[in-house]
Amino acid sequence: KQEVTQIPAALSVPEGENLVLNCSFTDSAIYNLQWFRQDPGKGLTSLLLIQSSQREQTSGRLNASLDKSSGRSTLYIAASQPGDSATYLCAVRLNQAGTALIFGKGTTLSVSS
Amino acid sequence: SQTIHQWPATLVQPVGSPLSLECTVEGTSNPNLYWYRQAAGRGLQLLFYSVGIGQISSEVPQNLSASRPQDRQFILSSKKLLLSDSGFYLCAWITGNTEAFFGQGTRLTVV
Repeated sequence: KQEVTQIPAALSVPEGENLVLNCSFTDSAIYNLQWFRQDPGKGLTSLLLIQSSQREQTSGRLNASLDKSSGRSTLYIAASQPGDSATYLCAVRLNQAGTALIFGKGTTLSVSS
Repeated sequence: SQTIHQWPATLVQPVGSPLSLECTVEGTSNPNLYWYRQAAGRGLQLLFYSVGIGQISSEVPQNLSASRPQDRQFILSSKKLLLSDSGFYLCAWITGNTEAFFGQGTRLTVV
């Protein structure tokens, strides 16, 4: 059974720091991996999608990497800002059929000004 | 553009009352549709998914049911709510190999 783990569970940093969020999964046979952001009481906003054949994806200050063989992904946030404060969720999709995303419990990030 | 609508945003219901949450998507056809629940301190739990009209798969046996009467409509229901049904309910869709998109969620409190 696929399990997704995110470390750390919470992280506090001062504004301007670069930081890395970690995601690991137990079964390397994934279809793709997606990073989301969730603000308190809100739905999930997609940040980056990495297909199983890709190694990384970038969007602005965000960079996500994928090492499928070792079951790991990282989300790198450059020059963090208070507006980055949120919970970041990692999810893996097993195949293209109807099976859904399996989520980690998230990392709650707090960026202080 | 592709959008997903969920309503209501918040709901307070007494124990034993029925429930109906609706999710509709626009700008896509034949999506895979999903209902998730997020309880305090826990991750997102997949409740139901659907790959087409009338096709529902249940991941967790419980007090809830789902239906897909139209291609872009997904409904979560209960005949009698329990206290343990409280949580944040999220609808999502995926088409092909694209990213998953989520609605803004419904906060359900059963009292």
